[in-house]
Amino acid sequence: DTGVSQDPRHKITKRGQNVTFRCDPISEHNRLYWYRQTLGQGPEFLTYFQNEAQLEKSRLLSDRFSAERPKGSFSTLEIQRTEQGDSAMYLCASSLDVPYMNFGPGTRLTVT
Amino acid sequence: AQSVTQPDIHITVSEGASLELRCNYSYGATPYLFWYVQSPGQGLQLLLKYFSGDTLVQGIKGFEAEFKWSQSSFNLRKPSVHWSDAAEYFCAVVPRGAGSYQLTFGKGTKLSVIP
Repeated sequence: DTGVSQDPRHKITKRGQNVTFRCDPISEHNRLYWYRQTLGQGPEFLTYFQNEAQLEKSRLLSDRFSAERPKGSFSTLEIQRTEQGDSAMYLCASSLDVPYMNFGPGTRLTVT
Repeated sequence: AQSVTQPDIHITVSEGASLELRCNYSYGATPYLFWYVQSPGQGLQLLLKYFSGDTLVQGIKGFEAEFKWSQSSFNLRKPSVHWSDAAEYFCAVVPRGAGSYQLTFGKGTKLSVIP
């Protein structure tokens, strides 16, 4: 069990640029989640995959956000035309078919 | 509305003192209950969980939590705090019957430990 990994750990970008984050889940886990955490808040659910199918998306996931999980392995989260309000920690988590999950270390995004 | 409330934003305790972090939830049926810990700049680690059965659950790092149905609470406790326990603690729930198992978190309680 090597844990959930995320890349990059930190990203600084200018407003209007596109960014992409990667998450590698624990290998046997079929479920993968993305959460966003802003300062002083708990993580908020963004989206959820079961294998390669994206089954649920939060209303927080605007049209500028897109997530994929090709072949049910790693996942990517892309933000287009970034805004300062997108600055946050983006957390990935994975699990089996159980109501608890393993989190990665997160990607901290700063939009200047 | 469904919610998770952690009433204490910041708690400071002396090393060796006991600790209790509060969590209340507002859901129609008792959800699955969790406590996670987050060290600075890190992801979240599961401390303990409650699904059913014994209302006092033991977790990692010497933590325990007690589920009280009458108070809709799931408070986290530790009898003797160590300096390494300084972190942010999040209470979280998953509604029963939710197919996605997505977590809803409280806003967190930041724990500072005085040596």
